Amino acid sequence: QSALTQPASVSGSPGQSITISCTGTTRDVGSYNSVFWYQQHPGKAPKLMIYDVNNRPSGVSNRFSGSKSGNTASLTISGLQAEDEADYYCCSYRRPDSWVFGGGTKLTVL
Amino acid sequence: QVQLVESGGGVVQPGRSLRLSCAASGFTFNSYSIHWVRQAPGKGLEWVAVVSFDGNTKYYADSVRGRFTISRDNSKNTVYLEVSSLRTEDRAVYYCVRELQFGYFDSWGQGTLVTVSS
Repeated sequence: QSALTQPASVSGSPGQSITISCTGTTRDVGSYNSVFWYQQHPGKAPKLMIYDVNNRPSGVSNRFSGSKSGNTASLTISGLQAEDEADYYCCSYRRPDSWVFGGGTKLTVL
Repeated sequence: QVQLVESGGGVVQPGRSLRLSCAASGFTFNSYSIHWVRQAPGKGLEWVAVVSFDGNTKYYADSVRGRFTISRDNSKNTVYLEVSSLRTEDRAVYYCVRELQFGYFDSWGQGTLVTVSS
């Protein structure tokens, strides 16, 4: 059960924007709008940042946005802040009956 | 507030079994599906299994199907994960997660660590 493909790391300076990609297949990302993004700080449980490709849960900053094109979903963080430094994971429903995470991307705020 | 508390982790020898528990509180337990997600030390998240709100539907990741069994007792507000025929690669923190709506994992426990070692 192969994971979705994410870059291992990305970095940016405070105030800049970064984008993290998440590539799947027609069995998952390409066929469903059930794509989610999670933020995880060291030693903490993951926190949902984006659901259903491009929706933010209540309380999540509007600096976080999501999109999808074909088999690739993306998370964009604008106006980078020091507290955004964390690991980010995408997650998608995969037919017929499972969920799959990406390998994770470490975001470094320079 | 929603709370999920895992327990049952520990050190176990390869090939042996363990039962993990997830005690829930702060919400109507029998209305939600519950998942287990694991994370090996220093590695990424891996979805493991899900049980539906009524316990009648269960799905598993290929990596654990046939070895792990998920179940729930709605009278005790508890979900279980029976992990058997353990392998070294099963070593991970196991999180219990509530599914608020399809795929929306809104609440996570603090995790319980399973270490497989001889």
